[in-house]
Amino acid sequence: EIVLTQSPGTLSLSPGERATLSCRASQSVSSSSLAWYQQKPGQAPRLLMYGASSRATGIPDRFSGSGSETDFTLTISRLEPEDFAVYHCQQFASSPWTFGQGTKVEIK
Amino acid sequence: QLQLQESGPGLVKPSETLSLTCTVSGASISSSAYYWGWIRQPPGKGLEWIGSCYYTGSTYYNPSLKSRVTISVDTSKNQVSLKLTAMTDADTAVYHCARRASYSPGYFDYWGQGTLVTVSS
Repeated sequence: EIVLTQSPGTLSLSPGERATLSCRASQSVSSSSLAWYQQKPGQAPRLLMYGASSRATGIPDRFSGSGSETDFTLTISRLEPEDFAVYHCQQFASSPWTFGQGTKVEIK
Repeated sequence: QLQLQESGPGLVKPSETLSLTCTVSGASISSSAYYWGWIRQPPGKGLEWIGSCYYTGSTYYNPSLKSRVTISVDTSKNQVSLKLTAMTDADTAVYHCARRASYSPGYFDYWGQGTLVTVSS
């Protein structure tokens, strides 16, 4: 099973700042098999990125993804108030599909 | 507008069987364009993929849960169901249903809000 480790656990930033979130895989993962989700309290997770760097429908371009093999990054160029949430990465390169434990982006 | 709504008991006793239903509106369960899945999140932990199914009845399960899980579709009601047997404390979680487009290699493009299931006597 591929284990995904997200860091940091919590990121404290101010609106307008840049957020850099990491997702590290225990084995190499094709970049086409990595997705990111955003989740706010009490809400359904929302697909942000797929294929590591492709934005889902309606996702603003301040969100970007990059990475390959075992190291992937989600970057939010300038945090808007609505971006404070928990972010999850997911791999579907091999079964079972697995998720990271999440990174919480909170207002500093 | 696509909506996925999970429903079921909020409290289950240890050793009992959990039965959850996901009612889909705004899309047809019978469409060849989609797969349907269940994902759960224990309190304070990450998301865990439980399994997925296709309208034909084909299913794909997480090996760690395979012996206890059944996912099925009811096309007449446009619902996806989850059954999980022999529940323990470790199964306490928010259970989400989600949609995966058939062209998607594994990501889920729409999720339900989830329903909290607590295992307690």
